[in-house]
Amino acid sequence: KAGVTQTPRYLIKTRGQQVTLSCSPISGHRSVSWYQQTPGQGLQFLFEYFSETQRNKGNFPGRFSGRQFSNSRSEMNVSTLELGDSALYLCASRLKENTEAFFGQGTRLTVV
Amino acid sequence: GESVGLHLPTLSVQEGDNSIINCAYSNSASDYFIWYKQESGKGPQFIIDIRSNMDKRQGQRVTVLLNKTVKHLSLQIAATQPGDSAVYFCAENIQVGGSQGNLIFGKGTKLSVKP
Repeated sequence: KAGVTQTPRYLIKTRGQQVTLSCSPISGHRSVSWYQQTPGQGLQFLFEYFSETQRNKGNFPGRFSGRQFSNSRSEMNVSTLELGDSALYLCASRLKENTEAFFGQGTRLTVV
Repeated sequence: GESVGLHLPTLSVQEGDNSIINCAYSNSASDYFIWYKQESGKGPQFIIDIRSNMDKRQGQRVTVLLNKTVKHLSLQIAATQPGDSAVYFCAENIQVGGSQGNLIFGKGTKLSVKP
C-alpha cells in the first residue's frame, strides 16, 4: 500500500510570493493533518481536515490555509511568504481517531 | 539532512546499552500517546503507541511507559543499535470538541549511538 505522498520535495520561493503544497494520504484515510517543522519550534500543528472540512486549526496566521478534496487529497497554501516560513512542511494521514498518523517525507520550503 | 535545532536534548549511548527517552506531556485529558522516530531527511515514523487506560506497552525492543499522575511518558529501547540514531518525538492526542483531536508533539530528543 502506498504511503503518504507529498509534492514537491523541495521548493525555493521569494518573499512575498505564495506557495501551494500537495499531499496524497494513504488510500482509505480521510483525515489529513499538516505540520510545520523548524529547528527552533519543532513540529507545530497547522490544521487538520476530515471529509473536506477543516476540523482543527493551530495557532498560525491567516496566511496559512488549506483544503481537502473529495478524494481526500489535501493542499496547503501560504500567501505573502516571509523568511520565517522556511521550514519542512509535513503532512500526515490517519485512518480513524486515536490511531497513529502516518507521515510523508515532507516538502522543504526555503524562502529567500 | 534535517537539522533539528541547537537546543535539542541529546542522549548519547553505547551500542548494546539500553536507552531511555523521557517526555512530559501537557494535557491531563490527553487519551492517546505515540512515539515517533525521525531520521535525517525523512518524515517521522511510528514506533509505538499507548492509550491512557494503560501504563505500559511493549513492542519489539521498545517499551513505552505512561505515568498519568505526573503526565510523563518514556520510551525504552533495549540493546540500542547504530540504526536507532535519530530524533525521537512523543506526541499526545488532544481531543478538541467533538473531533478526533490533533497530535501535539514534544520538542524531541536526539539519540546518538556510539559503535
